[in-house]
Amino acid sequence: GIQVEQSPPDLILQEGANSTLRCNFSDSVNNLQWFHQNPWGQLINLFYIPSGTKQNGRLSATTVATERYSLLYISSSQTTDSGVYFCAVVPVAGTYKYIFGTGTRLKVLA
Amino acid sequence: GAGVSQSPRYKVAKRGQDVALRCDPISGHVSLFWYQQALGQGPEFLTYFQNEAQLDKSGLPSDRFFAERPEGSVSTLKIQRTQQEDSAVYLCASSDRAINYGYTFGSGTRLTVV
Repeated sequence: GIQVEQSPPDLILQEGANSTLRCNFSDSVNNLQWFHQNPWGQLINLFYIPSGTKQNGRLSATTVATERYSLLYISSSQTTDSGVYFCAVVPVAGTYKYIFGTGTRLKVLA
Repeated sequence: GAGVSQSPRYKVAKRGQDVALRCDPISGHVSLFWYQQALGQGPEFLTYFQNEAQLDKSGLPSDRFFAERPEGSVSTLKIQRTQQEDSAVYLCASSDRAINYGYTFGSGTRLTVV
């Protein structure tokens, strides 16, 4: 089945720093979402982005489907950005269920 | 409702006990998914409903797991004779398309089997 790998696995930032999280996938995908799981376990949808670029405030994401990767940019990080960031994809090969990546655990220090 | 609601938020069960976890999706959402998230891992697919039809239950780990959505809205995930390895967070998500589009997740139910 499809492999979804995220890097880095762990990241510690000082408040105000910028970061880039990467998601690589091993096969073609129909859909891709980025989620933030906060320390209370809530999975929050950040972007639905099967291709192209989107921005929402301090966050932006780019997916290059032909090269099988997506990037999540966090600018001017805040302590509330802490948590785990997941990339999830739906493979082209006839399914509708999201396959989650390995996650990037982010800690932002005040 | 405004979001996906799950209850209970936390459940402690004695090994061998049956449990039922509830998911109330966003009103009108056609698709409903259950995921299991073990500690330190990403969520893993359990089962999928389109309206009241369970179209995929390939992720259910054993025949002790059963899910239903009888009227195409609220769904219940039932685990019979719970085992310690069932301890996890159970997440429900819904989508407003018949074919998966973007998910909205609930807050999950954290199940601990002692």
